[in-house]
Amino acid sequence: QVQLQESGPGLVEPSETLSLTCTISGDSITSSSHFWGWIRQPPGKGLEWIGSIFHTGTAYYKSSLKSRLTMSVDTSKSQFSLRLSSVTATDTAVYYCARQTGWVGDSCFDGWGQGTLVTVSS
Amino acid sequence: QSVLTQPPSASGTPGQRVTISCSGSSSNIGSNYVTWYQHLPGTAPKLLIFGNNQRPSGVPDRFSGSKSDTSASLAISGLQPEDEGDYYCAAWDDSLNVLFGGGTKLTVL
Repeated sequence: QVQLQESGPGLVEPSETLSLTCTISGDSITSSSHFWGWIRQPPGKGLEWIGSIFHTGTAYYKSSLKSRLTMSVDTSKSQFSLRLSSVTATDTAVYYCARQTGWVGDSCFDGWGQGTLVTVSS
Repeated sequence: QSVLTQPPSASGTPGQRVTISCSGSSSNIGSNYVTWYQHLPGTAPKLLIFGNNQRPSGVPDRFSGSKSDTSASLAISGLQPEDEGDYYCAAWDDSLNVLFGGGTKLTVL
């Protein structure tokens, strides 16, 4: 059974860059039927997809975040990462990493990390 | 405001059947598959339905999904107290974004 674990700072200052890493165990990050995503939940609000990436580096980003977002994969460490620049208080959220099974148009998040709270504040 | 529209709340008594709707458009639900997630307090979201109406192993058959044109529904039969939580629909959009509904808070009375 796949396990995912988010790691990174819990506090980021406004205008700085939020960086998170997700470490995968129990599955291969290079699996052709999976890709890897980030989802967040701001306090009191619903789930919001941030982006997804294949082990090849092909990535899909939420349109409204594209200018600030970079995702990457390190296959040697079974990790994928998120970098969100120029953060503001509206980026405060619980960030989840997840395994996405399927392909574009027909996929599901079938494995989730426990989530990590990132607060943007000075 | 989410592109996929869900009712903010739903409720039922134990044993009842409840349905949660998810309304989208031709560019998302109308042309892509719908998934449903259960998010209980203090836990990570859990996949309930994929491919419009498929249940992953381990998900009780009390949970069922359906889709018609640009709308989808999640039905929960034999409602149980432990079903109380938030439920989200999701689908790809033709803009290559994954969209989540705004979520429905289910209360078991």
